[in-house]
Amino acid sequence: SAVISQKPSRDICQRGTSLTIQCQVDSQVTMMFWYRQQPGQSLTLIATANQGSEATYESGFVIDKFPISRPNLTFSTLTVSNMSPEDSSIYLCSLGEQGEGYTFGSGTRLTVV
Amino acid sequence: AQSVAQPEDQVNVAEGNPLTVKCTYSVSGNPYLFWYVQYPNRGLQFLLKYITGDNLVKGSYGFEAEFNKSQTSFHLKKPSALVSDSALYFCAVRDSDSNSGYALNFGKGTSLLVTP
Repeated sequence: SAVISQKPSRDICQRGTSLTIQCQVDSQVTMMFWYRQQPGQSLTLIATANQGSEATYESGFVIDKFPISRPNLTFSTLTVSNMSPEDSSIYLCSLGEQGEGYTFGSGTRLTVV
Repeated sequence: AQSVAQPEDQVNVAEGNPLTVKCTYSVSGNPYLFWYVQYPNRGLQFLLKYITGDNLVKGSYGFEAEFNKSQTSFHLKKPSALVSDSALYFCAVRDSDSNSGYALNFGKGTSLLVTP
C-alpha cells in the first residue's frame, strides 16, 4: 500500500496566522481526503481533493478558511487560515482508491494560542 | 446518506478475556466497512476491512470482525485481549454507490481499556 509523509507532525501557532500542512505520497493516487479530529472527537471530513479539479468541501467547511492544493497525483496541501483556538485539532490526510485500502498520514497536531 | 454508530464510549476487559467493540452502520447501497485503531499521539492504523466475500474478516494483531447484513453490524472481536490493545478504535463506512462519495464516514470511536 502507499506510504504518506505528512508534515509538520505538530505545531503551535498564534491566532490570526496560517499554517500549511503537506502530504506527500510515494505513488500516484487519484483521490485524497482531508480530515479534522477535534480533541476527544471522531474524524470529520473537511474536503475531497482530486488532481486537476477544485476541492469539494463538506458542509461547515469553506475554501477561504481551508484552501487546498492538489498540483499532482502525489502531493496535496491543506492550509488552515486566520487561525483561532477553535482550530486546535489533529488534521489528517488520507488516500482512497475505489473503496479499497484507505491509508492515513500520521497527522498534524495543531495548537492555536 | 451513510452513518456509523459505535454505541459504547468505553469498553473494559481483563487481559486474556475475549473483547468485542460494537459497530452498526447505515448506507443506501452495499457497505464497505473498516476498523482503525489510534494509539495516543499517533495516527490511524488500519486493522481490517470488509468489501465483499466472506463475512468473517481477519486483520492485524489478531483482530477479526464479522459482517452481518441483516443486523447491519460489523463488530470487532479478539479472542484474547492484551494490555497493549488499549487504544481508541474507530469503525468507518463507505457506500459502494459512488454517488455517495468516496470518503470514509467514521463512528465516534470506542476507547478500549484492557486491565492486567
